Amino acid sequence: QVQLQESGPGLVKPSQTLSLTCTVSGGSISSGSYYWSWIRQPAGKGLEWIGRIYTSGSTNYNPSLKSRVTISVDTSKNQFSLKLSSVTAADTAVYYCARERRGFLGYWGQGTLVTVSS
Amino acid sequence: EIVLTQSPATLSLSPGERATLSCRASQSVSSYLAWYQQKPGQAPRLLIYDASNRATGIPARFSGSGSGTDFTLTISSLEPEDFAVYYCQQRSNWPTFGPGTKVDIK
Repeated sequence: QVQLQESGPGLVKPSQTLSLTCTVSGGSISSGSYYWSWIRQPAGKGLEWIGRIYTSGSTNYNPSLKSRVTISVDTSKNQFSLKLSSVTAADTAVYYCARERRGFLGYWGQGTLVTVSS
Repeated sequence: EIVLTQSPATLSLSPGERATLSCRASQSVSSYLAWYQQKPGQAPRLLIYDASNRATGIPARFSGSGSGTDFTLTISSLEPEDFAVYYCQQRSNWPTFGPGTKVDIK
């Protein structure tokens, strides 16, 4: 059973870069036809897809965030990562990583709260 | 961008009742639609994909239907653990989610 776990700072200052890592266990990140995705959810609000990466390194990003987002993968560590630059209070949210197949998100991490505040 | 709308925003029902949730897309998404359940403090859980296929381990009381722009999630008889927020999601171009329907206890 694949499991995903997000990690990273819970507090980021405005204008800085948010960095999170998702560690995948219970299977190789390189096996199967899967994309590895990031999704976020502000408190009390809905879900927003941020972007995804294939193990080849191919990426797709939400157009509304594309200029600030970088997703990368480290297959040797079975991890993938999110960087979101120039953050503001509007980027405060629970960030989830997930495994995506054919556009649907079948396995999710538990989520990690990131607060943007000085 | 394909916009999803969900109705109603809140559905107040009693255990044992039938729940019918609607999701409408701003343009056709064919059958590329999923439903997720989210409980407080938890990650969303995939229930239905490709409009009508139950994900692994999902009880048969959950069913999905529809194609094109109009979709329905039906819970045939609500169990206590089914009271939650339900989101639809489409996968054309890039994934987008609906705003959610909260199913709460009447």
